[in-house]
Order: sequence, then C-alpha cells, then structure tokens
Amino acid sequence: SQQGEEDPQALSIQEGENATMNCSYKTSINNLQWYRQNSGRGLVHLILIRSNEREKHSGRLRVTLDTSKKSSSLLITASRAADTASYFCATDAEDSSYKLIFGSGTRLLVRP
Amino acid sequence: DADVTQTPRNRITKTGKRIMLECSQTKGHDRMYWYRQDPGLGLRLIYYSFDVKDINKGEISDGYSVSRQAQAKFSLSLESAIPNQTALYFCATSDFGGGTEETQYFGPGTRLLVL
Repeated sequence: SQQGEEDPQALSIQEGENATMNCSYKTSINNLQWYRQNSGRGLVHLILIRSNEREKHSGRLRVTLDTSKKSSSLLITASRAADTASYFCATDAEDSSYKLIFGSGTRLLVRP
Repeated sequence: DADVTQTPRNRITKTGKRIMLECSQTKGHDRMYWYRQDPGLGLRLIYYSFDVKDINKGEISDGYSVSRQAQAKFSLSLESAIPNQTALYFCATSDFGGGTEETQYFGPGTRLLVL
C-alpha cells in the first residue's frame, strides 16, 4: 500500500491563483519530499522538509509539515500555466532502508 | 534530466517476448531504482540496488528481473511480457549520503506497450 496519499486527485485553477495540494501518510518519517512530473516525463525534485521542520519555502513554493497529523501541504503561489503538471509527495519511513514511497499524485491544471 | 538516460524511450512488443529496458547514469550515484507508473496509481517500486553487488525486490517484482552491470548501469528485464505490464517505466538514481535524506533523480521514462 502507498504511504502517501495526495488530495485532491485533480485541481483546476486560473492563472494567478494559488494552488494547494495535501499529502497524508501513515508511518513516522525522516522527511517528506515533493516532486513534479510534466506529462509523460520523469519526476523532478522540488523541495524536501525534514521531520523536525514545520514550514519551508522555495521561490513560489511553500511546504508545511504536521507530524502530529501525519500530513503535509504544498502551496504554489501566483500560479502560471507552466505549473501545469502532476505533483507527488514522497516519504521515507523511519523503519525503512531509506527507500522513498510515492503517493498517487495531484494533477494540477492552470488555465491561462 | 540528461544525467539519467533510458533506452528505448518507446517500445511495442508482443505477449511472451523477453525485453530489456536499460538505464545509464553519469551522476556517480550508488543507488538506482526501477519504477512503473500506471494511470492513477502513482509510482510503484519494482527493484532497487544500493550498489553494484546489491539487488533488492520492491513492491511489484514478480515478472521482472534486473541486472546491475556497473555503478552506472541498471537494466530491467521482462522475462515473458504480458499485457498488464503495459506502463510507463522510470529509472532513478539517488545521492543518499548515509544520513537520512535522499533525493531521487529520474530518467525520462520508457513507454512500453505489450500487445
């Protein structure tokens, strides 16, 4: 079974709006990462947040982590049409051999 | 990412055929992975290798085998392809440094169709 589950499965917004995606996971983690996938392409790492961090920023990206709720959110501010992609969270569980487990992803469509 | 290459990029084969998907990396990473992606199911781990002499089964290894020929090369074989192996296959490497953080770098993918 998958460790991370993203919500919503699909999101459609207007350019300039903010996009928020959520990820829930099941077991204790060392860190949580977000990846982006353009249609049919390989995943690209966006940002990593450690289990002892609550918030992290990178450009227009803001990630939060709530380990008590086992959840994370990815906020993309001032979205652009080029942000259209699928976004995946990935976790490495504390009791794993540091393999990443990917969620099923959120498909984001940013309309021009 | 040109640092991780996969060949072929697209492949059509018939049921029962043996095929090999190849992955090469120039990043100098020890860890390499094979995933498959099906619509709506995200990525599922097939096999992974932490160094040249290490091979491990992932979540869905049945029907697949791998070979780690060198640090830079990790091949995935379908011994006898079946239609439900139709999927997008990704190779990835990671720069795990012995701590607790691991970022993975993905190849462009191989789209496989089994008829």
